Amino acid sequence: DAGVIQSPRHEVTEMGQEVTLRCKPISGHNSLFWYRQTMMRGLELLIYFNNNVPIDDSGMPEDRFSAKMPNASFSTLKIQPSEPRDSAVYFCASSYGDRGTYGYTFGSGTRLTVV
Amino acid sequence: DQQVKQNSPSLSVQEGRISILNCDYTNSMFDYFLWYKKYPAEGPTFLISISSIKDKNEDGRFTVFLNKSAKHLSLHIVPSQPGDSAVYFCAASENTGGFKTIFGAGTRLFVKA
Repeated sequence: DAGVIQSPRHEVTEMGQEVTLRCKPISGHNSLFWYRQTMMRGLELLIYFNNNVPIDDSGMPEDRFSAKMPNASFSTLKIQPSEPRDSAVYFCASSYGDRGTYGYTFGSGTRLTVV
Repeated sequence: DQQVKQNSPSLSVQEGRISILNCDYTNSMFDYFLWYKKYPAEGPTFLISISSIKDKNEDGRFTVFLNKSAKHLSLHIVPSQPGDSAVYFCAASENTGGFKTIFGAGTRLFVKA
């Protein structure tokens, strides 16, 4: 298995532009998580899906952020409009079940820079 | 309000010695705890976990200890190796209808050869 695949690896955009981050989870995993890593706050859970249904989006910082999971093999995290404070590394992770008993499998992340 | 706290941003240890990474939590509803390791430009990878019904779990050089009364867990690495140099994240989860895993801010471990 190729693991959790995120694209793009790096994204530089101007303030006010729309940004879409993409994630392909591991085949057979039914839970998907979006995390954001910053120096100040470490790894923050933004939203997670179970069987393609959003279960908890309480970590989504603002209405500018939205996430979708149209099918079991694809998810997007969209920021519209983007702001400099959104600059961070965004990780997608997947697991079988949301308990994460054997841990989540993370992608390599998307480093977002908003200028 | 950080529910999972790793108060040491970094730790430096000599090769062959023990590394002890600490983690405190505030939510008494957490019932499962995990440690992840992260190398630069990679995502975190799962290392070891422990259920709240246990106080110790061991996997090779890695041992996690849980003290529920103190709301404290620690990761021991013995002996430490230069390849262990990475950022270590403590994480905890609770049953909220689903299972939400909260991560600490991480501790950077340097193992000197």
